[in-house]
Amino acid sequence: GDSVTQMEGPVTLSEEAFLTINCTYTATGYPSLFWYVQYPGEGLQLLLKATKADDKGSNKGFEATYRKETTSFHLEKGSVQVSDSAVYFCALNNAGNMLTFGGGTRLMVKP
Amino acid sequence: DAGVIQSPRHEVTEMGQEVTLRCKPISGHNSLFWYRQTMMRGLELLIYFNNNVPIDDSGMPEDRFSAKMPNASFSTLKIQPSEPRDSAVYFCASRGEQGRNQPQHFGDGTRLSIL
Repeated sequence: GDSVTQMEGPVTLSEEAFLTINCTYTATGYPSLFWYVQYPGEGLQLLLKATKADDKGSNKGFEATYRKETTSFHLEKGSVQVSDSAVYFCALNNAGNMLTFGGGTRLMVKP
Repeated sequence: DAGVIQSPRHEVTEMGQEVTLRCKPISGHNSLFWYRQTMMRGLELLIYFNNNVPIDDSGMPEDRFSAKMPNASFSTLKIQPSEPRDSAVYFCASRGEQGRNQPQHFGDGTRLSIL
């Protein structure tokens, strides 16, 4: 079946540091890929998505590129802020209604 | 636009009591999902509906859990009787058109504590 693997957290960075959160997936066919963010006490919010190979999703300074050859969708941001502290989930949707989520990666940004 | 609305936001009750969680999806969305989130197990899909019909309930942990969607704008998740291990944050999500490109939109969740 489909699966998503994320790097284990927590990831602790200083403000303005570069962020990478790794995500790899296993799926048949051509899934769509998503990053969701969950701030404390809130639900998951869509951060960005990519629907085909080589697509780049971007939002709020975050980017991720759909790499079919390496089955990856790594999340990056050039300069993180304290307000980016949250849990980040990578997910895929493969020809169905249901999302397959990774385990989540907690990001902590220190001032 | 209003997002997915869940109620209550917090619920504390004693074991053995019936608990009902409520969800109003985004207007016009035809798929609805119930999830449970815990530290130990992460995010788990419990059940999902399409056009008010339950499609996959394989994630419902046991017969104490039941979910209904009587119309397109309302769904409930019921636990009877509740147990301390049911303590978790329960999320509802909805989605518009079918197709793998469409994201799910989540509510803010109900934090449930069973004493």
